[in-house]
Amino acid sequence: NAGVIQTPRHKVTGKGQEATLWCEPISGHSAVFWYRQTIVQGLEFLTYFRNQAPIDDSGMPKERFSAQMPNQSHSTLKIQSTQPQDSAVYLCASSLQGLEVFFGKGTRLTVV
Amino acid sequence: GDSVTQTEGLVTLTKGLPVMLNCTYQTTYSPFLFWYVQHLNEAPKLLLKSSTDNKRTEHQGFYATLHKSSSSFHLQKSSVQLSDSALYFCALSHSNYQLIWGSGTKLIIKP
Repeated sequence: NAGVIQTPRHKVTGKGQEATLWCEPISGHSAVFWYRQTIVQGLEFLTYFRNQAPIDDSGMPKERFSAQMPNQSHSTLKIQSTQPQDSAVYLCASSLQGLEVFFGKGTRLTVV
Repeated sequence: GDSVTQTEGLVTLTKGLPVMLNCTYQTTYSPFLFWYVQHLNEAPKLLLKSSTDNKRTEHQGFYATLHKSSSSFHLQKSSVQLSDSALYFCALSHSNYQLIWGSGTKLIIKP
């Protein structure tokens, strides 16, 4: 079991460019979460899928952020027109039945 | 709505001393509480979990007891080590599988 896999581990984008972050949850896990972590804001919930269906996206900035889960084996977080304030570590996590959550190692996004 | 409160943002201690990190919660559901630890440049990982009232749970020298009467799940260790320096999150499992996270406590252990 390789755990939750996130790619890329580091991404640098220019202001205004698009960034797509990938997550492969643990096989069999029904819930997939996306979080954003910064020193200032801490750990922020972004969005959550259960059995591939979007359940709660209340943490997503509405205009430029979108997330999808086209199949059981991966989810993507897309940020359009990236801004410097989007710079953060984006964490993906998965869970079997809403109990223990397993995190990936994260993608460090830097917008320059 | 459900919430988790961690009152200390930063705790600094000398090696060998005891520590208690506070966690209180609010929920209308039967609570399932977690402590996660995040070391520098690593992902958060589970440290402890409990849904049983008044039963102490332990792992890696850390322990916590869920007290439903006071809505608390404080994390304790009797003698901290340098390697315990990390960010600690308390979390509450919500009915729809989500976790409600506290703001985190940064623990710094000095020699």
